Amino acid sequence: GAVVSQHPSRVICKSGTSVKIECRSLDFQATTMFWYRQFPKQSLMLMATSNEGSKATYEQGVEKDKFLINHASLTLSTLTVTSAHPEDSSFYICSARPGGPYSNQPQHFGDGTRLSIL
Amino acid sequence: QQPVQSPQAVILREGEDAVINCSSSKALYSVHWYRQKHGEAPVFLMILLKGGEQKGHDKISASFNEKKQQSSLYLTASQLSYSGTYFCGTSAGGTSYGKLTFGQGTILTVHP
Repeated sequence: GAVVSQHPSRVICKSGTSVKIECRSLDFQATTMFWYRQFPKQSLMLMATSNEGSKATYEQGVEKDKFLINHASLTLSTLTVTSAHPEDSSFYICSARPGGPYSNQPQHFGDGTRLSIL
Repeated sequence: QQPVQSPQAVILREGEDAVINCSSSKALYSVHWYRQKHGEAPVFLMILLKGGEQKGHDKISASFNEKKQQSSLYLTASQLSYSGTYFCGTSAGGTSYGKLTFGQGTILTVHP
């Protein structure tokens, strides 16, 4: 159980393109999902918390107009990197947490999306 | 603030034991442990909630000392499959409830 699917797994595109990444919880509902960015051999850095039916909460230093998050249902959150540039190239990982907003359940991670901007 | 993990890297032979530590400068509500293999998603190992509990999962166990704001992950009789990067994720509760701040990771390599 607790499977999270993330698509696409890899994206290579030109500078200026917008890229959408989907994160789905397949066998549970998740009021809250999280988006992380991970640089090679580094830790997971939280970008934003995605809340179903309300606006996402962004961490300090993360541009909300650059990284658009939509959490339209209890099983789907999307991250859109708008007008992507080479410095946005990274490994983006989502996670979903079963239960409501104050759940003690652990986060379960998707397989990540490797984004390369040329 | 990011928790600090030690050691940064461990090299073991199959069957040996290891301890990975996670320390925070903030009061903690919970500690989550994950293992990530190269190019893959982090896999949940266990969660420890405020209360100083200890948990076990096969030959992997963990403790949480909330007074010292520390957690330790114990791997006994290591197997090849234990290789990977181990992350602790800490939650401070309050307005940060449910959000995890991850340590820098500990690279564990198990050799035959």
